Amino acid sequence: KAGVTQTPRYLIKTRGQQVTLSCSPISGHRSVSWYQQTPGQGLQFLFEYFSETQRNKGNFPGRFSGRQFSNSRSEMNVSTLELGDSALYLCASSPDSWGTDTQYFGPGTRLTVL
Amino acid sequence: DQQVKQNSPSLSVQEGRISILNCDYTNSMFDYFLWYKKYPAEGPTFLISISSIKDKNEDGRFTVFLNKSAKHLSLHIVPSQPGDSAVYFCAASGRAGGTSYGKLTFGQGTILTVHP
Repeated sequence: KAGVTQTPRYLIKTRGQQVTLSCSPISGHRSVSWYQQTPGQGLQFLFEYFSETQRNKGNFPGRFSGRQFSNSRSEMNVSTLELGDSALYLCASSPDSWGTDTQYFGPGTRLTVL
Repeated sequence: DQQVKQNSPSLSVQEGRISILNCDYTNSMFDYFLWYKKYPAEGPTFLISISSIKDKNEDGRFTVFLNKSAKHLSLHIVPSQPGDSAVYFCAASGRAGGTSYGKLTFGQGTILTVHP
């Protein structure tokens, strides 16, 4: 099976812009979670989607949003970018309905905000 | 409030010896624990996991031990190889639903360096 894929791998944006990141989970996985990794905060949970519904959300401002499509592919969007949004954004998929079993991660999207 | 802690930022080990990475947690609702290995600018790679109903799980050179009463888990790598050099994260999840859905809580990571 193909692993989790994320596009694009690298992105450079300026403050105030918005960005959309894409994630394709492992075939058959219906739970998709998103994380932000920064040197200061480590790996932080953003949100989780299952069957096109957001079931859980981390402690991030409303500028961070996401969605999931019927084929389980997911996108996350960050509006009004700030310098502090520069990070590695990771997507993970899980085979179980809780989404809390083993999660398999994609390679990430490195976002740089100038 | 850091619910999962890896108190050792780094660990240096000689090739062939045992590497022991430690992790502590505070949330008693956690019932599933995982270890991931990560290289810079890549996503974490799953290594091994353990459910709270067990106290040990082995997979090849990797063994995870769980001490629920102490809220402590450890990852043993025997024998250590230079290719094991990476950042190791422990993570925890609960299955109570609600705020647990799809959420892994990660420690800050331990940089393991295995010297030839």
